[in-house]
Amino acid sequence: GQSLEQPSEVTAVEGAIVQINCTYQTSGFYGLSWYQQHDGGAPTFLSYNALDGLEETGRFSSFLSRSDSYGYLLLQELQMKDSASYFCAVRGYSTLTFGKGTMLLVSP
Amino acid sequence: DTAVSQTPKYLVTQMGNDKSIKCEQNLGHDTMYWYKQDSKKFLKIMFSYNNKELIINETVPNRFSPKSPDKAHLNLHINSLELGDSAVYFCASSHGTGVDLMSSYEQYFGPGTRLTVT
Repeated sequence: GQSLEQPSEVTAVEGAIVQINCTYQTSGFYGLSWYQQHDGGAPTFLSYNALDGLEETGRFSSFLSRSDSYGYLLLQELQMKDSASYFCAVRGYSTLTFGKGTMLLVSP
Repeated sequence: DTAVSQTPKYLVTQMGNDKSIKCEQNLGHDTMYWYKQDSKKFLKIMFSYNNKELIINETVPNRFSPKSPDKAHLNLHINSLELGDSAVYFCASSHGTGVDLMSSYEQYFGPGTRLTVT
């Protein structure tokens, strides 16, 4: 079956760096995506990794290790507006599975 | 311009009724999706269509029937609504299906339809 594990909640202060991990088990693997969702809003795309390594997009970076079935999202220079839920998602053979989400709380 | 739109935004209905949610995307994408997000925020894919062909069909009661009249539209019809169907339903679209080894696989989500079954 398919399963993704990510922490349910992470707290940090403004200006800090936080890492949200995601481990997965899927039937087949094509890529790992990350999405952000604010309360009451729709998920928005942050990043995608199909190959091993680090992808950087502004303050956000995402890493993938296919041999370890592991990835993470790194958020730098945290701002209050980064308080949201973050989902990892894996595209497998005829499947697309989202993790249960990590709620990030950024405090002043 | 709205990229992915859904109607209605809110839907309150009684058990046993039949309802539809419409979705349209103006991004020129070839793949569309329906997701259900429950009260615990668990986001689960229900269906995915590529060029009007069903490519992902998760374990969903057959009371739920997707219809894709063309690449830009994917509607969701729900028969005999039950209390457990209450959730937020998101439509999404993407260029490609995610198995194309593209440089990116980005889904654009609609604003969601909050369905409440009483």
